[in-house]
Amino acid sequence: EPEVTQTPSHQVTQMGQEVILRCVPISNHLYFYWYRQILGQKVEFLVSFYNNEISEKSEIFDDQFSVERPDGSNFTLKIRSTKLEDSAMYFCASSRDPQETQYFGPGTRLLVL
Amino acid sequence: AQKITQTQPGMFVQEKEAVTLDCTYDTSDPSYGLFWYKQPSSGEMIFLIYQGSYDQQNATEGRYSLNFQKARKSANLVISASQLGDSAMYFCAMREGGTSGTYKYIFGTGTRLKVLA
Repeated sequence: EPEVTQTPSHQVTQMGQEVILRCVPISNHLYFYWYRQILGQKVEFLVSFYNNEISEKSEIFDDQFSVERPDGSNFTLKIRSTKLEDSAMYFCASSRDPQETQYFGPGTRLLVL
Repeated sequence: AQKITQTQPGMFVQEKEAVTLDCTYDTSDPSYGLFWYKQPSSGEMIFLIYQGSYDQQNATEGRYSLNFQKARKSANLVISASQLGDSAMYFCAMREGGTSGTYKYIFGTGTRLKVLA
């Protein structure tokens, strides 16, 4: 069964460093999303992406964040200068259609020291 | 105001018994979707079940069923014949339309279920 994959599973970085989180969505899906979950809290929407453009972004998704689809399979989230409060689990999700179920990847656990 | 409310931070259930996890939602959009995801201790988000706002029947997927009461704006998850492997965090989510035509999910705070042997 096709699934969303994410790499790395864990990332530890120093405050101020750039990180890139990678995702491979399900192959016939066209709509891509990033969510984050701070430890012990609920999952929060960051950004949606379609047709090589950001469709919608939340207040969390400020200038330090960017997303890109560098090739036909990968979808990346970049945090330019990480802050302590960026420590969280980051989930990538994809769907075939905006109204269809979003399938989530296993997440990348980011720890900023 | 909370759009998705899960009032049970933690629940216990005996193995083989049924359990209901509560979820209420708030939206003025006539077209919406409701989802349940399971998050085991390993952290991944596993899709369980979906209910569309126009669906006439309650959704079922194996041991999972969704008790959808539209007038009450509730979408409770029922797990029948609980198994030890059902111990996890469970999140209710609502698909909400955006101005761009894509949809984001709004999640509740989750219910941690522990199945007892």
